[in-house]
Amino acid sequence: GENVEQHPSTLSVQEGDSAVIKCTYSDSASNYFPWYKQELGKGPQLIIDIRSNVGEKKDQRIAVTLNKTAKHFSLHITETQPEDSAVYFCAASGGTDKLIFGTGTRLQVFP
Amino acid sequence: EAGVAQSPRYKIIEKRQSVAFWCNPISGHATLYWYQQILGQGPKLLIQFQNNGVVDDSQLPKDRFSAERLKGVDSTLKIQPAKLEDSAVYLCASSLRTGGGNGYTFGSGTRLTVV
Repeated sequence: GENVEQHPSTLSVQEGDSAVIKCTYSDSASNYFPWYKQELGKGPQLIIDIRSNVGEKKDQRIAVTLNKTAKHFSLHITETQPEDSAVYFCAASGGTDKLIFGTGTRLQVFP
Repeated sequence: EAGVAQSPRYKIIEKRQSVAFWCNPISGHATLYWYQQILGQGPKLLIQFQNNGVVDDSQLPKDRFSAERLKGVDSTLKIQPAKLEDSAVYLCASSLRTGGGNGYTFGSGTRLTVV
């Protein structure tokens, strides 16, 4: 079955710097790759997603890139702010919508 | 639109007791999911419903876990009897439909502690 690996597990950056989180997936049939942000005591919230027919997608300060050949996808956050501090999860799914999640990255943005 | 509602928010039980969680998805969302999130890990799918039918329950420990979505709207997840390793956050999520890749909307979860 699908396996999603996520790195790093923790990431500390200075406010204003960029943050990059990387994921790899194992199932070449996966075609949908969302990213979720989870704040303490809350459920994961979808922040951006990308489908397999697109290589890059951007939404203000966040962007996601996908390399289907290498089975890699990455989340890029620019101009980080303290409110970006949270746990970020990548996920992958095929046609059944069953999402397989990565293990999470705890991002800390220091003022 | 209203989000995914879950209750209770917290539950503490002793091992071998039973517990039930409730979820009300976003109105009109046909697909409902229950995920288990152990501390420090990503969510793991327990069961997926399409309307009131089960799509995937391959990861559900059926000797102790059960779930139903009788009228194709709200859902309950039950654990009987609970074990210490069941301590986790139980997340409910919903999406418009199955197939083609859709973002889920998650509820805030129920944090279960088994002592």
